Amino acid sequence: DAGITQSPRYKITETGRQVTLMCHQTWSHSYMFWYRQDLGHGLRLIYYSAAADITDKGEVPDGYVVSRSKTENFPLTLESATRSQTSVYFCASSARERLDGYTFGSGTRLTVV
Amino acid sequence: QKEVEQNSGPLSVPEGAIASLNCTYSDRGSQSFFWYRQYSGKSPELIMFIYSNGDKEDGRFTAQLNKASQYVSLLIRDSQPSDSATYLCAVSGFKTIFGAGTRLFVKA
Repeated sequence: DAGITQSPRYKITETGRQVTLMCHQTWSHSYMFWYRQDLGHGLRLIYYSAAADITDKGEVPDGYVVSRSKTENFPLTLESATRSQTSVYFCASSARERLDGYTFGSGTRLTVV
Repeated sequence: QKEVEQNSGPLSVPEGAIASLNCTYSDRGSQSFFWYRQYSGKSPELIMFIYSNGDKEDGRFTAQLNKASQYVSLLIRDSQPSDSATYLCAVSGFKTIFGAGTRLFVKA
């Protein structure tokens, strides 16, 4: 199916565990992004990527790791989950980052207990 | 001062009225401006973009941009209950910044 897909949709994990959230897009968009959305904070950029093998930190990168070995995939890993990382995570992609706007995935609701 | 500011709302309008959503930004070098709609529990969806000063219309939606005053607005004509959502403004210059969103409630 064409589009941008995230998995899983829901995840509950324990403090200290490693968790990977997946993001896959079928458009071959150059740009991909990870955001978290929390009440009172809006969307906050965690990491972004301008192309395969090019990634950079956003506003709130601590505790997260990303990789982009293929253009279509942009996984986000929480190395050692903490309760403060309980959030809704959105992946997004864009062909021309500042001109086209973003297409968002459906999101992953992560709860760290 | 936040880089992109929106009134959090809720903005409540009766069905059929015009809803006016506003957004101000601080980076004078900003070049692209976007409006996203986000229903509760869903992801943001791009509904409008504007690059030049003035108005841009798409169906019931009109985006307005005034770079001198550093504000962008979204007008929704003939508001429907299905327009009830949070509307996010995003501004792109050196980087893309999202506002926190305005909640719109359209009363039937």
